[in-house]
Amino acid sequence: DTGVSQDPRHKITKRGQNVTFRCDPISEHNRLYWYRQTLGQGPEFLTYFQNEAQLEKSRLLSDRFSAERPKGSFSTLEIQRTEQGDSAMYLCASSSPTTTSGAGGSSGELFFGEGSRLTVL
Amino acid sequence: EDQVTQSPEALRLQEGESSSLNCSYTVSGLRGLFWYRQDPGKGPEFLFTLYSAGEEKEKERLKATLTKKESFLHITAPKPEDSATYLCAVPTYTGGFKTIFGAGTRLFVKA
Repeated sequence: DTGVSQDPRHKITKRGQNVTFRCDPISEHNRLYWYRQTLGQGPEFLTYFQNEAQLEKSRLLSDRFSAERPKGSFSTLEIQRTEQGDSAMYLCASSSPTTTSGAGGSSGELFFGEGSRLTVL
Repeated sequence: EDQVTQSPEALRLQEGESSSLNCSYTVSGLRGLFWYRQDPGKGPEFLFTLYSAGEEKEKERLKATLTKKESFLHITAPKPEDSATYLCAVPTYTGGFKTIFGAGTRLFVKA
């Protein structure tokens, strides 16, 4: 299977602990995105990488959140000092300019992983 | 501010009962509109991309259409396996491209 993979699929932690999620995108995709999704809502954008460069961060991303994509391959999302409000599904997606058609250089369709579900007790 | 609004929030259909889901959007310079399907506990799965008003795309029992202000996802003679959340999304540009999503429509199809 050469889709987007995320690890771990589920994480239960106590408030105040640090957690890290990993995402392995589709190998030929140079764009990688992190989203957060809570029950009954659509995915909310967190941050975006093109190769190893982090090009945009949402205002939702507090100082406790940090994301990296060393060497432009896999990415990690770390949450420090977790709070109960951080409980959510964290989704990773990747895309490539080669999947884009139409004018304007849109981000193209996103290929999502299965997500990492975080529960903060 | 760029925005995507979907309606209804939930839709319950009998098997074979056709209906439509709505997605209205406000974005400066449309660069495409996407539909995704999401099953419980899984990531969204891409269905369609539409780029210009009047465009239509079909896949099995689903047909997506686009106007200048909204998109519709028509479901013809649905089956229970069509039960899922359907998400609408548009790419936006604020220094870097990102895609924003609506809250989705949860579709339940009863046999």
